[in-house]
Amino acid sequence: DAKTTQPNSMESNEEEPVHLPCNHSTISGTDYIHWYRQLPSQGPEYVIHGLTSNVNNRMASLAIAEDRKSSTLILHRATLRDAAVYYCILRGGGRNAGNMLTFGGGTRLMVKP
Amino acid sequence: GAVVSQHPSRVICKSGTSVKIECRSLDFQATTMFWYRQFPKQSLMLMATSNEGSKATYEQGVEKDKFLINHASLTLSTLTVTSAHPEDSSFYICSASPGHFYEQYFGPGTRLTVT
Repeated sequence: DAKTTQPNSMESNEEEPVHLPCNHSTISGTDYIHWYRQLPSQGPEYVIHGLTSNVNNRMASLAIAEDRKSSTLILHRATLRDAAVYYCILRGGGRNAGNMLTFGGGTRLMVKP
Repeated sequence: GAVVSQHPSRVICKSGTSVKIECRSLDFQATTMFWYRQFPKQSLMLMATSNEGSKATYEQGVEKDKFLINHASLTLSTLTVTSAHPEDSSFYICSASPGHFYEQYFGPGTRLTVT
């Protein structure tokens, strides 16, 4: 599986936007970019995913570089409840690709009041 | 969104005993479920893929005789930690998906403490 690189931790102020970067220079043409987050003592939850175009949903936006070698998860207004570990994961989109997710270290986001 | 439950949420057992953890998809069917383990301050590590009606597929280094997985129906997978030891103490998390092109839904996790 292609790997991703994320900063270990980031800090943000409450109600300010947060940009969480992810590098995936070895991404293949059929890999989808998925983001999950894990709040303390809970299972991960899905945030967003995309292939080539930028994506928006009620939780966040995903900006994907034109060469697809990096992406940025954008939280438009961070709240204290957004403090979590955010994982950027590449998931194969081919017909024979497995459905499992391979988690890297993620970015621990701390939100200051 | 879809819901995956786990039971129990916490369990404490004595060394040498076995513990069963259940993972259920509550509002969808899943032919495949996944089991992860997470040690403190670490990321999730995939242990095995649970396949409905067939044998589980274990990741390298995971003992299949120690971590027994049964996926008897499209909504239930169980993980049994046999002859548990203190080093098996961890946070066990399952996930499931309605299909290949859907996102994964994770259970809330089971914290196992072996004394």
